[in-house]
Amino acid sequence: TQLLEQSPQFLSIQEGENLTVYCNSSSVFSSLQWYRQEPGEGPVLLVTVVTGGEVKKLKRLTFQFGDARKDSSLHITAAQPGDTGLYLCAGDNQGGKLIFGQGTELSVKP
Amino acid sequence: DADVTQTPRNRITKTGKRIMLECSQTKGHDRMYWYRQDPGLGLRLIYYSFDVKDINKGEISDGYSVSRQAQAKFSLSLESAIPNQTALYFCATSDVTGGPGSYNEQFFGPGTRLTVL
Repeated sequence: TQLLEQSPQFLSIQEGENLTVYCNSSSVFSSLQWYRQEPGEGPVLLVTVVTGGEVKKLKRLTFQFGDARKDSSLHITAAQPGDTGLYLCAGDNQGGKLIFGQGTELSVKP
Repeated sequence: DADVTQTPRNRITKTGKRIMLECSQTKGHDRMYWYRQDPGLGLRLIYYSFDVKDINKGEISDGYSVSRQAQAKFSLSLESAIPNQTALYFCATSDVTGGPGSYNEQFFGPGTRLTVL
């Protein structure tokens, strides 16, 4: 069974701090996606990384795919209250299904 | 208008009742999925469908059934609801063509909060 271990599960920080969320697996994925979910809504896709070692930036968010395509990280610079939410990583196993991590609940306090 | 809609948004029911959750999409995607979300467990796949004639079990299909009535509609049923089926349920769609740049990027509905007493 493929698993994606996401850490930390909870993160509470002050506005302006930096943070990193990790997503690790022993399995290789053809691509990895990051989603963000706000209360009362469904997850929304932020980014897809495909190539080992790939780095993508989305404003203050930086996403990296590990060289072996088994892990990924999300780094947020100078977090803002609007970044508050649940962040989910998901690996594509090319079997038509996504394997989701447990999620990281981020709270950014003003 | 939302591309993926789910009804109802909230439902409270009693143990043993039959419940149907509905999902409709206007994205024209062939693939549709049903997930449940529980705190600390992420999203777990219940059933998925690659087209109208194709239905597949996910990792937690016991106690659930589905019906793909059309490309745009995918319903989830709980034949006899039990309290541990209390959760958030999400429908999602994707359009994977298999060609270059084709990834299983999924688009989610707003969810149904189901409570079984």
